[in-house]
Amino acid sequence: GAVVSQHPSRVICKSGTSVKIECRSLDFQATTMFWYRQFPKQSLMLMATSNEGSKATYEQGVEKDKFLINHASLTLSTLTVTSAHPEDSSFYICSAIRGASDSNQPQHFGDGTRLSIL
Amino acid sequence: KQEVTQIPAALSVPEGENLVLNCSFTDSAIYNLQWFRQDPGKGLTSLLLIQSSQREQTSGRLNASLDKSSGRSTLYIAASQPGDSATYLCAVRGAGGTSYGKLTFGQGTILTVHP
Repeated sequence: GAVVSQHPSRVICKSGTSVKIECRSLDFQATTMFWYRQFPKQSLMLMATSNEGSKATYEQGVEKDKFLINHASLTLSTLTVTSAHPEDSSFYICSAIRGASDSNQPQHFGDGTRLSIL
Repeated sequence: KQEVTQIPAALSVPEGENLVLNCSFTDSAIYNLQWFRQDPGKGLTSLLLIQSSQREQTSGRLNASLDKSSGRSTLYIAASQPGDSATYLCAVRGAGGTSYGKLTFGQGTILTVHP
């Protein structure tokens, strides 16, 4: 089956640090990738949708200057949390789909990144 | 705005039981519905995808049905095993409005299958 690889799986860093999370689709070309945030015991909250070669579309309330998303190739998207603070601590999950977001292809998810800001 | 509700929130059953998880959604303008499994501290594993024109999909001991007009889906798990213990999430991909092209998730059902 399709595999989405996310790295790193866990990050612990000091307040003020910028953290980059990578998401790769290993066996398919992902035209569209998604970034989610999940709080404890809650469901996934979509942060942004990125299409290869274009700017990401952010959901309402998500700061685009805080959460920088780059989708430079059909197999790689990155999320950079800039100047992270303790309130940014969360579980971040990336996802990829073969084709456009209105296709009937299944959406595949990475294993998530646990970000802890001290 | 699409809203997805899953019932029950938690379910605990003995091994071997057949069980049903329920999902309902408010806007029938969807491309598809996907069921996922999430283990603690992990990402999501796709279990089944049902396109809006389909009524059901089967994979092994799992069977998912979709009634788009009434906004309902069920996930049936046959002969449950302790390894099935996880959180099960239902999500619909919107075909209109602000949910267009996006997955909207339910809150999940936490399943525990005890030996």
